[in-house]
Amino acid sequence: NAGVTQTPKFRILKIGQSMTLQCTQDMNHNYMYWYRQDPGMGLKLIYYSVGAGITDKGEVPNGYNVSRSTTEDFPLRLELAAPSQTSVYFCASTGVFWYEQYFGPGTRLTVT
Amino acid sequence: AQSVTQLDSQVPVFEEAPVELRCNYSSSVSVYLFWYVQYPNQGLQLLLKYLSGSTLVESINGFEAEFNKSQTSFHLRKPSVHISDTAEYFCAVSGTQGGSEKLVFGKGTKLTVNP
Repeated sequence: NAGVTQTPKFRILKIGQSMTLQCTQDMNHNYMYWYRQDPGMGLKLIYYSVGAGITDKGEVPNGYNVSRSTTEDFPLRLELAAPSQTSVYFCASTGVFWYEQYFGPGTRLTVT
Repeated sequence: AQSVTQLDSQVPVFEEAPVELRCNYSSSVSVYLFWYVQYPNQGLQLLLKYLSGSTLVESINGFEAEFNKSQTSFHLRKPSVHISDTAEYFCAVSGTQGGSEKLVFGKGTKLTVNP
């Protein structure tokens, strides 16, 4: 199993550009999550999904959108990038035990 | 709402010294508590968990944490650290949002083990 994979690893965006962060898991997990991690601030939940076709907002959803058309994929979309979205983004999934989240390696995004 | 406070943002120690990373939580209901570890340039991994039963829980690499309900704490300890323990450690508490259980993370403590 590859676990949770994320692409790209790094990206630099200009203000106003859009992009999609990809997340795929091969563990057949129903629950998937997107977090952002800012220095000294811990992890903040952006969006989550409890299964294909079902998504919901987390703590900091503004400026982001998600979709979940399959169990495996959970892409995160930034429509109009802003400097405040400079962060490291982590995707995670959980299986039988909801508290044991499996994290991807992260995407480091810079918006200038 | 549940919240977590990690009292130290950075903890430098020498190799083979003991270490304690402090975590306090607030919750009006019963909680589950966790420690996650993030090694450099990696995602987080579950280190240990408290769900119920014994208040002292241990990980496979020598860390332990004790759930103290009266002090609302879940401090992480290791009697002798290695260079390889250098990482960021996150305390987390269970929370409920939209009918689903969620993890609420603290801000993290960077542990640096020096030779």
